[in-house]
Amino acid sequence: AQSVAQPEDQVNVAEGNPLTVKCTYSVSGNPYLFWYVQYPNRGLQFLLKYITGDNLVKGSYGFEAEFNKSQTSFHLKKPSALVSDSALYFCAVRDDGNNRLAFGKGNQVVVIP
Amino acid sequence: GAGVSQSPRYKVAKRGQDVALRCDPISGHVSLFWYQQALGQGPEFLTYFQNEAQLDKSGLPSDRFFAERPEGSVSTLKIQRTQQEDSAVYLCASSHPGQGSGPGNTIYFGEGSWLTVV
Repeated sequence: AQSVAQPEDQVNVAEGNPLTVKCTYSVSGNPYLFWYVQYPNRGLQFLLKYITGDNLVKGSYGFEAEFNKSQTSFHLKKPSALVSDSALYFCAVRDDGNNRLAFGKGNQVVVIP
Repeated sequence: GAGVSQSPRYKVAKRGQDVALRCDPISGHVSLFWYQQALGQGPEFLTYFQNEAQLDKSGLPSDRFFAERPEGSVSTLKIQRTQQEDSAVYLCASSHPGQGSGPGNTIYFGEGSWLTVV
C-alpha cells in the first residue's frame, strides 16, 4: 500500500524567509511523487513532480522539491516565501502499476508579512 | 476546455435526496478520477475510469455511490439517499497517458463540487 505523511499541521514563515514543507512516503515499488497547492474554496493546482532522474525538481511559482530515496522524503522548498504562498499544500504518491494518487493530510502554510 | 470543469460548484441537499455531480475533463484526456475531500483532510480516492471503462471503484464508500462515463468523456458521480457524512468536496481529475509513463502522468484537478447535506 502507498501512503504519505505530512507531519506538521501548520507551517508559519516570515515573508522573504525560506519555506520548507515536509513529506515522507511509503510505497512498495518505485515512487512517483507530486506536490499540489490548494487555495481557499479552490481545487488542487499541480506544482511539481518527481518521476526519475535528478533528485532536485523545479516547479511552478519558484517551488522546488528534493527527492531523497534513503530517507523516503520529498520535501517542498521555496527560497523566499511570499504572502501569496499562504495556502494548503498536499504531497501525494503513486507507485508502479497503481493509478490512484494517495494524498497526505496537507499542511497549512501561513506567510507572515 | 482549458481545464477540468465541474458542476454544480455548490449543492445543498436534504438528507435522503439523490444528487448528481458532473465532470467535464480536459479534452482528450483518457483517464478520469473522482476523489472525496472532507473538511480538513486530504483527498481520498473514490474511482477511476480509462475511457468509458471503470477500472477501479474500490474507493466508493457504499453502494449509494455510483459513477459513470458512458462515452468516455463527461462523467457523473451519483449519490443516492444522501447522508450527512456525505458532506464533502468532490473533486474530479483527469490525465492523458501521453504525458509520461503511467504512474508519472500529471493528474489535473477541477475546482470541486461542494456538497452539504442538511
